[in-house]
Amino acid sequence: EDKVVQSPLSLVVHEGDTVTLNCSYEVTNFRSLLWYKQEKKAPTFLFMLTSSGIEKKSGRLSSILDKKELFSILNITATQTGDSAIYLCAVRRAAGNKLTFGGGTRVLVKP
Amino acid sequence: NAGVTQTPKFQVLKTGQSMTLQCAQDMNHEYMSWYRQDPGMGLRLIHYSVGAGITDQGEVPNGYNVSRSTTEDFPLRLLSAAPSQTSVYFCASSYGGSQNTEAFFGQGTRLTVV
Repeated sequence: EDKVVQSPLSLVVHEGDTVTLNCSYEVTNFRSLLWYKQEKKAPTFLFMLTSSGIEKKSGRLSSILDKKELFSILNITATQTGDSAIYLCAVRRAAGNKLTFGGGTRVLVKP
Repeated sequence: NAGVTQTPKFQVLKTGQSMTLQCAQDMNHEYMSWYRQDPGMGLRLIHYSVGAGITDQGEVPNGYNVSRSTTEDFPLRLLSAAPSQTSVYFCASSYGGSQNTEAFFGQGTRLTVV
């Protein structure tokens, strides 16, 4: 059974801080790892990672995958109150398109 | 382009009632799925479909039925609602087969069973 564990469960930071979120996984025949941001409603897509060591970057957000140690991190620099959300990590195996999600990390950025 | 559309947005049911949550996508995606989200538990897969006429169970299928008669629609039926089914339900779609792309989510249905 595929398994995804995210840490920490939640954290509170102040604007301008840097945040590092962790996602570890166990999956048969790994295909890709995806990060989503969920504010009030639907999760919105951030990154998809398929190869180790290649950083994906979008503005103040970046993510990297380590397929040997089976984890990924999501970094948010110079945090803003608009970064407050639940961040979800999911993995997809080679056969099929099912996504297995972790429990999420709730981030609260205070002004 | 509407993306993934879910209806209703909110619903209150009495224990034992049945209902159907609707999901439609206009992106010609082969793969569609239903998740439920409970506090602190992320998204758990209920049922999924790899194309019209093909459905399969996910992690938590008990108490739910699905069908996929068209590429666009993937309704989720609650057969006899129970308080344990109080949750937020999300429908998602993506390209299937060898295409490794992101999944798009609907806005969710908040269901309360009393």
